[in-house]
Amino acid sequence: AQKITQTQPGMFVQEKEAVTLDCTYDTSDQSYGLFWYKQPSSGEMIFLIYQGSYDEQNATEGRYSLNFQKARKSANLVISASQLGDSAMYFCAMRLQGGAGGTSYGKLTFGQGTILTVHP
Amino acid sequence: NAGVMQNPRHLVRRRGQEARLRCSPMKGHSHVYWYRQLPEEGLKFMVYLQKENIIDESGMPKERFSAEFPKEGPSILRIQQVVRGDSAAYFCASSPPNRGDGYTFGSGTRLTVV
Repeated sequence: AQKITQTQPGMFVQEKEAVTLDCTYDTSDQSYGLFWYKQPSSGEMIFLIYQGSYDEQNATEGRYSLNFQKARKSANLVISASQLGDSAMYFCAMRLQGGAGGTSYGKLTFGQGTILTVHP
Repeated sequence: NAGVMQNPRHLVRRRGQEARLRCSPMKGHSHVYWYRQLPEEGLKFMVYLQKENIIDESGMPKERFSAEFPKEGPSILRIQQVVRGDSAAYFCASSPPNRGDGYTFGSGTRLTVV
């Protein structure tokens, strides 16, 4: 069974600074995908970034980048130039790929989340 | 291109009543997933469906909960005889076939049992 661990219940950052949110995962499978979602106080789940286990380059999406270290089984989210609107809960999640040729996809397994607060 | 549509956004039920939550996936998405989020917790997987088939229901409580995704119409998560502990946010997500990264959530239904 797969497991996601987010060890930081809460993080604080000054506006315009960078922040790293930690995520480690545990699986014996070789094919998987890693996701980060943002959940603001309004409650919706906003997709931020995705990294496939076979992707050689770290994923980037605007101010978000994923520091993927496969040997250490970590997938930390880096937010550059933090903004007040980044204050939210952040979830790391993993999805296994199975089936012939890795074409079968299933559920996401989520971590406990990290509450990020950006100070002005 | 509408996203994943969930309704209602908020649902209040008395103990013992039935709750029906609806989810229409994104266009082109044939896979639907339901998750539950209790207060101050992460999302927990409940069930994974394709049209007319339940693929994985390993996260569904054994009693009172059921889900379907008919050939026509939205996916339905049904909770019979609700109890206070069922109060939570219920999220639906959808994905296209054969893509690892396409996974989109709806805005959720907040169920309150009084």
